[in-house]
Amino acid sequence: GEDVEQSLFLSVREGDSSVINCTYTDSSSTYLYWYKQEPGAGLQLLTYIFSNMDMKQDQRLTVLLNKKDKHLSLRIADTQTGDSAIYFCAERYNFNKFYFGSGTKLNVKP
Amino acid sequence: DVKVTQSSRYLVKRTGEKVFLECVQDMDHENMFWYRQDPGLGLRLIYFSYDVKMKEKGDIPEGYSVSREKKERFSLILESASTNQTSMYLCASRRTGSTDTQYFGPGTRLTVL
Repeated sequence: GEDVEQSLFLSVREGDSSVINCTYTDSSSTYLYWYKQEPGAGLQLLTYIFSNMDMKQDQRLTVLLNKKDKHLSLRIADTQTGDSAIYFCAERYNFNKFYFGSGTKLNVKP
Repeated sequence: DVKVTQSSRYLVKRTGEKVFLECVQDMDHENMFWYRQDPGLGLRLIYFSYDVKMKEKGDIPEGYSVSREKKERFSLILESASTNQTSMYLCASRRTGSTDTQYFGPGTRLTVL
């Protein structure tokens, strides 16, 4: 399958911005997604971006897409302890086929 | 809100047992999915179904089968459980539409002894 890569861990202080990065390989991907997984729970969709966009903002979340470099990032402004979770990026490359990254565990220190 | 429920949060089975994991969604979604989640590997697609009685293999179907007799229910079957199938299993559903994403259940943590 295609590789979607993320770093495994990120640690920030409360109030700082967090930036979680992701690289993907399939240039034909139509949509790219960010999901959040809290302990013991399933994945919850945070936001998505269509492949012809380069930026999307939704309250504290900013998604940047660099299609040339196949790089996706999620910025969380004013990070709170409640943002501690695992964040997955995913690409949809086919009608029902999604590739997920391995997840980045965000630890927010008070 | 879309609700995807899974029959068990935790399950412990013995090697060789037949295991059924059940998933139900209440939003009339056409598409349903089974993934397994392992640390450092992310989510890997086992099977998906795009209609009643229709199924397609995902990336890691070996050792698994699925059943979709009703639109709202998608079952994952481990014919003869093995220790390497110890994992977190996530079910998801999705409406057929270009922008629609998947909605996930809470997961079933299966341990095979």
